[in-house]
Amino acid sequence: DVKVTQSSRYLVKRTGEKVFLECVQDMDHENMFWYRQDPGLGLRLIYFSYDVKMKEKGDIPEGYSVSREKKERFSLILESASTNQTSMYLCASSPRDRDSDTQYFGPGTRLTVL
Amino acid sequence: DQQVKQNSPSLSVQEGRISILNCDYTNSMFDYFLWYKKYPAEGPTFLISISSIKDKNEDGRFTVFLNKSAKHLSLHIVPSQPGDSAVYFCAASARGGGADGLTFGKGTHLIIQP
Repeated sequence: DVKVTQSSRYLVKRTGEKVFLECVQDMDHENMFWYRQDPGLGLRLIYFSYDVKMKEKGDIPEGYSVSREKKERFSLILESASTNQTSMYLCASSPRDRDSDTQYFGPGTRLTVL
Repeated sequence: DQQVKQNSPSLSVQEGRISILNCDYTNSMFDYFLWYKKYPAEGPTFLISISSIKDKNEDGRFTVFLNKSAKHLSLHIVPSQPGDSAVYFCAASARGGGADGLTFGKGTHLIIQP
């Protein structure tokens, strides 16, 4: 079974704080992703990575950065948290497979910025 | 511009009947489609997928139909069960080894009534 874990299920931070969200997958997947989910907006892609030390911007990268120093770990960084970054953050991974684009998701981190 | 659309925010179906969830897309480059199920406070769970070379894929109670000319896909759940109550997301990709993120619809909240 694919397992994607996220460091926290719930997190409360203050405006201006630097926030780290960690994601680890145990299936040796090459690709990793960060999304945020907001009511009425579905899931939106923030950043993704297809290899160690590689990163690509998704649809809404502003206010975020990422780090992938090891294949199994992909971190999302909020440099200076703002209230509009209150959201559910979802990490996903997928293998490099020409026959499938299936991504496997972690349980999510509910972040509240006060 | 929304490339994947789920026009029904919610759908109510009686237990034992068929649930049909619909999804439309606009990007003709999409060639791989997925359905995810999501419970509150959990990450999305992969349900079923279909490649554009097929027009139907079946897995137990779940069947996905793809109409490429209409840029439309649907998920059929037969028979519907109480545990099927969740938010369902349609997702699509223009495949290239799975390295890019998925584009998601906004979701349909399926409610199965006893």
